[in-house]
Amino acid sequence: EIVLTQSPGTLSLSPGERATLSCRASQSVYSSYLAWYQQKPGQAPRLLIYGASNRATGTPDRFSGSGSGTDFTLTISRLEPEDFAVYYCQQYAGSLHFGGGTKVEIK
Amino acid sequence: EVQLLESGGGLVQPGGSLRLSCAASGFTFSNYAMGWVRQAPGKGLDWLSGITGSGGTTHYADSVRGRFTISRDNSKNTLYLQMNSLRAGDTAVYYCAKCPYGGDRYWYFDLWGRGTLVTVSS
Repeated sequence: EIVLTQSPGTLSLSPGERATLSCRASQSVYSSYLAWYQQKPGQAPRLLIYGASNRATGTPDRFSGSGSGTDFTLTISRLEPEDFAVYYCQQYAGSLHFGGGTKVEIK
Repeated sequence: EVQLLESGGGLVQPGGSLRLSCAASGFTFSNYAMGWVRQAPGKGLDWLSGITGSGGTTHYADSVRGRFTISRDNSKNTLYLQMNSLRAGDTAVYYCAKCPYGGDRYWYFDLWGRGTLVTVSS
């Protein structure tokens, strides 16, 4: 079983700042089968990134994903007010698992 | 409009059963694998089960294998989750979610429903 550890647990930033979120896997994720989701309070998750670096339809280009093997990163180049939310990574190379989430909050 | 709409949640006693439904619209349902993901109050996401577009292959998380059964009726564009032997720890919002393709494994989810709340309590 691949365990995904997201860090930090909470990221306090101001609008316009750059956000860097980490997702570390306990073993290598086959073929970079890693996705990122955004969830706002009271809403369902929304797919942002799949295949580690491919933006889903409708994902703004300020969101970018990178990484391979065991280390993956979601970067938001300049935070907009609507980007303050919780972000989850998910590996889908075998049995599906989500990370514990990173909350991006307004500083 | 492309959407998923869950129903069937509610209050159930420990040891009881519940069947969740997820009605799909706006896309060719049988072409896509589907899954169920839950979220306990204040907690993260927890994948439970998935099924291929044809319904021929299913997979389960260890936490629910043997208690939960996923199925689908492609003629009704509906996904189901039969939940038996429910425990307090099963209390969560249950989401159905669509995979971008219909095959086995390698599932991530590009469309989610709004969720239905299941509360297991005496």
